Amino acid sequence: TQLLEQSPQFLSIQEGENLTVYCNSSSVFSSLQWYRQEPGEGPVLLVTVVTGGEVKKLKRLTFQFGDARKDSSLHITAAQTGDTGLYLCAGVGIQGAQKLVFGQGTRLTINP
Amino acid sequence: ETGVTQTPRHLVMGMTNKKSLKCEQHLGHNAMYWYKQSAKKPLELMFVYSLEERVENNSVPSRFSPECPNSSHLFLHLHTLQPEDSALYLCASSHARGLTLAEAFFGQGTRLTVV
Repeated sequence: TQLLEQSPQFLSIQEGENLTVYCNSSSVFSSLQWYRQEPGEGPVLLVTVVTGGEVKKLKRLTFQFGDARKDSSLHITAAQTGDTGLYLCAGVGIQGAQKLVFGQGTRLTINP
Repeated sequence: ETGVTQTPRHLVMGMTNKKSLKCEQHLGHNAMYWYKQSAKKPLELMFVYSLEERVENNSVPSRFSPECPNSSHLFLHLHTLQPEDSALYLCASSHARGLTLAEAFFGQGTRLTVV
């Protein structure tokens, strides 16, 4: 069974601060996706990383895929209150390709 | 507008009731999924349909019965549920091309409460 562990599970910081969220596994994934979910809504895709060592930027968000394709990180610069939400990482396994495995999520709160 | 629509948004049902959740996608995707999201637990994959054929059933109790009549519609039929089945049920769709899985687009979910 491929598992993804996200840390921290909860994070509350002030607006303007920087933060990093981690997604780790002992398994290799062919690709990894990050989603954000707001209360009462379904998850919305932010980015997909495919190549080991890949870095993708989405405005103030920087996503990195580990060289061994077992882990990923999400870094937010100068956090804003609109960044508040549940951040989920999800991996596509190298076997059972139609199965998207999710981490338990990081609940991020940005305080004004 | 995500392109994936779930109805109803909220459902309260008794343990002896029978109800169905509906999911519809207009994105031209060929794979659809049911996920269960409970508090403090990761999203749990329940069922996967690819080209209207069930390709994954993650040991889900038989009181949950999926149906995929065509590539745009997915149902989850519920009967004799337990209170621990209360959760947010999410439908998703994607392009599945052979061994490659594209990004999943999620509906807004159905918040189910079993009383």
